[in-house]
Amino acid sequence: AQTVTQSQPEMSVQEAETVTLSCTYDTSESDYYLFWYKQPPSRQMILVIRQEAYKQQNATENRFSVNFQKAAKSFSLKISDSQLGDAAMYFCAYRHQRNTGNQFYFGTGTSLTVIP
Amino acid sequence: DSGVTQTPKHLITATGQRVTLRCSPRSGDLSVYWYQQSLDQGLQFLIQYYNGEERAKGNILERFSAQQFPDLHSELNLSSLELGDSALYFCASSEGGAVSAHYEQYFGPGTRLTVT
Repeated sequence: AQTVTQSQPEMSVQEAETVTLSCTYDTSESDYYLFWYKQPPSRQMILVIRQEAYKQQNATENRFSVNFQKAAKSFSLKISDSQLGDAAMYFCAYRHQRNTGNQFYFGTGTSLTVIP
Repeated sequence: DSGVTQTPKHLITATGQRVTLRCSPRSGDLSVYWYQQSLDQGLQFLIQYYNGEERAKGNILERFSAQQFPDLHSELNLSSLELGDSALYFCASSEGGAVSAHYEQYFGPGTRLTVT
């Protein structure tokens, strides 16, 4: 079974600074997708960014970018110019591209604190 | 607002009871997924339905069952409830079902179940 590992249970960052959240995954597939979801105190799950494994270019969404290292099976999230509203739990997720359903596998999450 | 609705928002019930959680996917989405998130835990995939048919199964207990109706809404039935079933139950939907493009999942607000 696929596993997603987030080795940082908690992280903190100063407002306006940059922080990187780590994620590694284990798979034997060549085609898959990776996602970062944000879960603020409201508990709503919000998609932050996604990456297709076949794309070499790292995905970017405004202040959020990823460092996708396919060979190393690493998928880190960089948040630039951190804002107070970025404080949340962040989950890394993996989804394979297979004809048997597109189940997501989630990591255990990283709790991000933004210090004013 | 993701477009995915879940009812009820909160549910308090006693051990041994049975409850039904309801989910309406985004307009046009054919797939529905159910997840369980226990306190301070990641999301555990329970089950996926695509256009009325079960497509993938995760760590779903035998006491739990789900179905997707012709109008594509889904219900998750939890029976013989135990204290450990207390959790946030998320429903998510996506456009595709199996081999598909970058069909990320859109999450509902969740149903918080408390078993006393």
